[in-house]
Amino acid sequence: DAGVIQSPRHEVTEMGQEVTLRCKPISGHDYLFWYRQTMMRGLELLIYFNNNVPIDDSGMPEDRFSAKMPNASFSTLKIQPSEPRDSAVYFCASSLGPGELFFGEGSRLTVL
Amino acid sequence: GENVEQHPSTLSVQEGDSAVIKCTYSDSASNYFPWYKQELGKGPQLIIDIRSNVGEKKDQRIAVTLNKTAKHFSLHITETQPEDSAVYFCAASITGNTPLVFGKGTRLSVIA
Repeated sequence: DAGVIQSPRHEVTEMGQEVTLRCKPISGHDYLFWYRQTMMRGLELLIYFNNNVPIDDSGMPEDRFSAKMPNASFSTLKIQPSEPRDSAVYFCASSLGPGELFFGEGSRLTVL
Repeated sequence: GENVEQHPSTLSVQEGDSAVIKCTYSDSASNYFPWYKQELGKGPQLIIDIRSNVGEKKDQRIAVTLNKTAKHFSLHITETQPEDSAVYFCAASITGNTPLVFGKGTRLSVIA
């Protein structure tokens, strides 16, 4: 398997623009997680899905953030409008049951 | 909810020496404690884990110990090599019920 695939790897945008990050989990995995990594706060869980259904979105910072999982092989994390404090590396991870997390290589977002 | 504290935030050792990273957790119900290694530009990758029914686990040069009474667990790396240089994260969860909560990470540098 190719592992968890994220795109884009790097995104530079201006404040106020919409940002969409994409994730393809490992085939057969039933859990999908979105994490945000910053120097100050480390790895923070934003939201996770089980069988395409959002289970806990309490980590989503505010209404500007939204995530969807329309099918078992695709998820998006959207930020609209983006702000400089959203600059971070966003990771998608998947797992088979509540087991080992497999992370993608991350999407580095810079909001100017 | 669960809170995981990790120390130190940075650690430098000479090649061949041992490295120890320590974590504490707050939720006594947590029963799964993995360690992840993150190399530059990549996502975290599981290197070892321990469950609450075990006090110690070893895998070649790495070992993890768990003290449930004190609610802390540690990662031990012996005979460190330059390729051990990375950021290491501890995490905790209640298997099957909660997603992983990560510590803030330890940047390990092994000096040749």
